[in-house]
Amino acid sequence: GAGVSQSPSNKVTEKGKDVELRCDPISGHTALYWYRQSLGQGLEFLIYFQGNSAPDKSGLPSDRFSAERTGGSVSTLTIQRTQQEDSAVYLCASSFMRGGTEAFFGQGTRLTVV
Amino acid sequence: GDSVTQMEGPVTLSEEAFLTINCTYTATGYPSLFWYVQYPGEGLQLLLKATKADDKGSNKGFEATYRKETTSFHLEKGSVQVSDSAVYFCALRGFGNEKLTFGTGTRLTIIP
Repeated sequence: GAGVSQSPSNKVTEKGKDVELRCDPISGHTALYWYRQSLGQGLEFLIYFQGNSAPDKSGLPSDRFSAERTGGSVSTLTIQRTQQEDSAVYLCASSFMRGGTEAFFGQGTRLTVV
Repeated sequence: GDSVTQMEGPVTLSEEAFLTINCTYTATGYPSLFWYVQYPGEGLQLLLKATKADDKGSNKGFEATYRKETTSFHLEKGSVQVSDSAVYFCALRGFGNEKLTFGTGTRLTIIP
């Protein structure tokens, strides 16, 4: 596609429910990143993928968070049993697997847990 | 592991003032360095980048030089405009480790 696409753009969910956030990277980009941005805060790294594997999952806040990527393309971030502190904007980015190339960001999914 | 330390904000300047936002990094090898910008209500976008020592990235009047000896990548602009008001993020991408590491961001406000 023309850019990184994330869906939904907004999600309101009740505390305790599970949510799935989707990221469709730019075609041909083999690296995919998930970040979280809380109101007025910086970027919190969650996980990144090289192809379908995730060399670095160190940023996932708890075992309620998981992510997968299939076919080297679309990725899904799943949050189980959501808590109010999970409310944030979840950003996805993708890039080619060459060190000097920049990552392109999607518009994000704004998650609100009520 | 890799890390980026960025000048704390917020920063408020008058229009046409000179801007510097400091960024230093810790990384093994030779990372690539980036500045991203987030305008109000918009997504993150690349502002400029440098991929090797002494490279200068530039865009929209902004410049940053990759200084390996001081492990720095400070962002500068000679004369800021109200439209430059945004949050600026310094970032690095490790060599051989493709993780993209960001600083905490600096909120810049330019007043007329």
